[in-house]
Amino acid sequence: AQSVAQPEDQVNVAEGNPLTVKCTYSVSGNPYLFWYVQYPNRGLQFLLKYITGDNLVKGSYGFEAEFNKSQTSFHLKKPSALVSDSALYFCAVRDIQAAGNKLTFGGGTRVLVKP
Amino acid sequence: GAVVSQHPSWVICKSGTSVKIECRSLDFQATTMFWYRQFPKQSLMLMATSNEGSKATYEQGVEKDKFLINHASLTLSTLTVTSAHPEDSSFYICSAGQGVNQPQHFGDGTRLSIL
Repeated sequence: AQSVAQPEDQVNVAEGNPLTVKCTYSVSGNPYLFWYVQYPNRGLQFLLKYITGDNLVKGSYGFEAEFNKSQTSFHLKKPSALVSDSALYFCAVRDIQAAGNKLTFGGGTRVLVKP
Repeated sequence: GAVVSQHPSWVICKSGTSVKIECRSLDFQATTMFWYRQFPKQSLMLMATSNEGSKATYEQGVEKDKFLINHASLTLSTLTVTSAHPEDSSFYICSAGQGVNQPQHFGDGTRLSIL
């Protein structure tokens, strides 16, 4: 079975400050990891993914995430947050050894960037 | 980038009506399409996985006779909510996948309100 935990329901940060959204995962095999962002009344937009290779992954809109196998984490980061980054963020995992392409999503973290 | 179009974006209808939601991959062929349901301030709940030309695989607890899924081509999947009732009111989101190491690409969702 695969699972994802996003321990924070909401993260508040001032504009210009660093932003971190935490994610830990559990899979029986090796993981494929994804971050998505959702704006109100919209679907999910893909930000970045970790499949293999460098542990630090760079994605859209200045976001990056670091894969840490020993801590089973994949935290999302942005060095300098913008007000427009305020949205709902989802971490997702897929066990590459499991059948099918199903993603398991975390519960989501709402990010509020204040001017 | 990969674009998924979901239509309609908003539906309001009377109880007992059947509602069809379309999900199209516009610039790629989707080997698999997924249907999710999202309740307010909650994460995505996978309802079913569909592969072109075969029957959909429903998640536990999802009524297959209530939520009919048809995946007639590599670019089109439809979800029909049959005899909808107020408890079926929700935000429904589709996604399309190209392979296990590729991200799912999401439609913008359909907000269904049953009166």
